[in-house]
Amino acid sequence: EVKLVESGGGLVQPGRSLKLSCAASGFSFNDYWMGWVRQAPGKGLEWIGEINQDSSTINYTPSLKDKFTISRDNAQNTLYLQMSKLGSEDTAIYYCARDGNDGTYSSGVMDAWGQGASVTVSS
Amino acid sequence: DTVLTQSPALAVSPGERVTISCRASESVSTLMHWYQQKPGQQPTLLIYLASNLESGVPARFSGSGSGTDFTLTIDPVEADDTATYYCQQSWNDPWTFGGGTKLELK
Repeated sequence: EVKLVESGGGLVQPGRSLKLSCAASGFSFNDYWMGWVRQAPGKGLEWIGEINQDSSTINYTPSLKDKFTISRDNAQNTLYLQMSKLGSEDTAIYYCARDGNDGTYSSGVMDAWGQGASVTVSS
Repeated sequence: DTVLTQSPALAVSPGERVTISCRASESVSTLMHWYQQKPGQQPTLLIYLASNLESGVPARFSGSGSGTDFTLTIDPVEADDTATYYCQQSWNDPWTFGGGTKLELK
């Protein structure tokens, strides 16, 4: 069974940083592109970015490129999201997701999702 | 960025057929995908590449379209289908989602 479990969420003060983790199991993690999506309270889904199998290609949505960093550790089957200079607009549930294609190119199809990590930015 | 426009909400009775539309601001070929999100849960993939049913998804769900106009059809609708449905494109960088259509059962 494919399983993705996010952790590291919580309450953080404005301007601070936070790093989320996503532990993967049930599939060959190092064969897949992986990504992050967030959802502000009562709002829709927003794609943050994705990383390829060997971390040589990382794509971001332009508005978040300067404050979010995606990385992965294939030995630990773990995906990360480093968030910096957080503001109230970053309050959201953060989901990690697997890209459905285990090839060279990202398909953009997110075929497995974690349950999400809640991040609240407030003083 | 490619903007995906969905109707905010729909209300249907169980047993009826419902179509949920998604219009893209520019062509996305057939790289359109649909997700279902029930309250308090993570999204799940329903349809990929416009018309392909994800494994394990009931055949009541189907998708169609290409270019800029896409539809998700549920026929017949069941009570368990109460959820918000999102379209998402992966033809133009960055990937983008529609605002979601909230489906309510009468």
